[in-house]
Amino acid sequence: AQSVAQPEDQVNVAEGNPLTVKCTYSVSGNPYLFWYVQYPNRGLQFLLKYITGDNLVKGSYGFEAEFNKSQTSFHLKKPSALVSDSALYFCAVRDRRTNSGGYQKVTFGTGTKLQVIP
Amino acid sequence: DAGVIQSPRHEVTEMGQEVTLRCKPISGHNSLFWYRQTMMRGLELLIYFNNNVPIDDSGMPEDRFSAKMPNASFSTLKIQPSEPRDSAVYFCASSYSGGGFSYNEQFFGPGTRLTVL
Repeated sequence: AQSVAQPEDQVNVAEGNPLTVKCTYSVSGNPYLFWYVQYPNRGLQFLLKYITGDNLVKGSYGFEAEFNKSQTSFHLKKPSALVSDSALYFCAVRDRRTNSGGYQKVTFGTGTKLQVIP
Repeated sequence: DAGVIQSPRHEVTEMGQEVTLRCKPISGHNSLFWYRQTMMRGLELLIYFNNNVPIDDSGMPEDRFSAKMPNASFSTLKIQPSEPRDSAVYFCASSYSGGGFSYNEQFFGPGTRLTVL
């Protein structure tokens, strides 16, 4: 079974300060990892993903995430937060191994609300 | 591309009525997902289609829920009869999987906000 945990329901950060949104995962094999963002009254929007290679992944809007296999983490970061970054952020994981049918679903976390304070 | 299209955007109905939600995935995508989002339960996968075939429907709450994908460009999620606890935002998402690209991200529609009175 696979799972993903986002330990913080909400993260508050002052505009201009660095931000971190935490994510840890559990899979039987090796993971594919994703971050999505959801603005109010909108669908989820893809930010970045880790497939293989460099542990530091860069994505949209200046966001980046670091894959740490030993800590089974994939924290989302940004050096300088903007008020417009305020939204709900979802981490997601998918085991690279598929079942006998060639399928493996993506599991989403419960989401972390990011509030950037002007 | 217009992205994933969902209709209606808002639906208010009374308990016991049939509700049909519609989705048009991105052209060329061969995987389609239906999700439900509530404050209490977060984002739940209801059903997943690959090449128009239902692959995983383990998330469908009960027999009142059914989903179809008659062709690559259209899918429906039907609730009959609807109940107040079905009130939620329902999202459709699509992606391309196959040829080794089974790690592609999903593209979400804007969602349908369903209220069952």
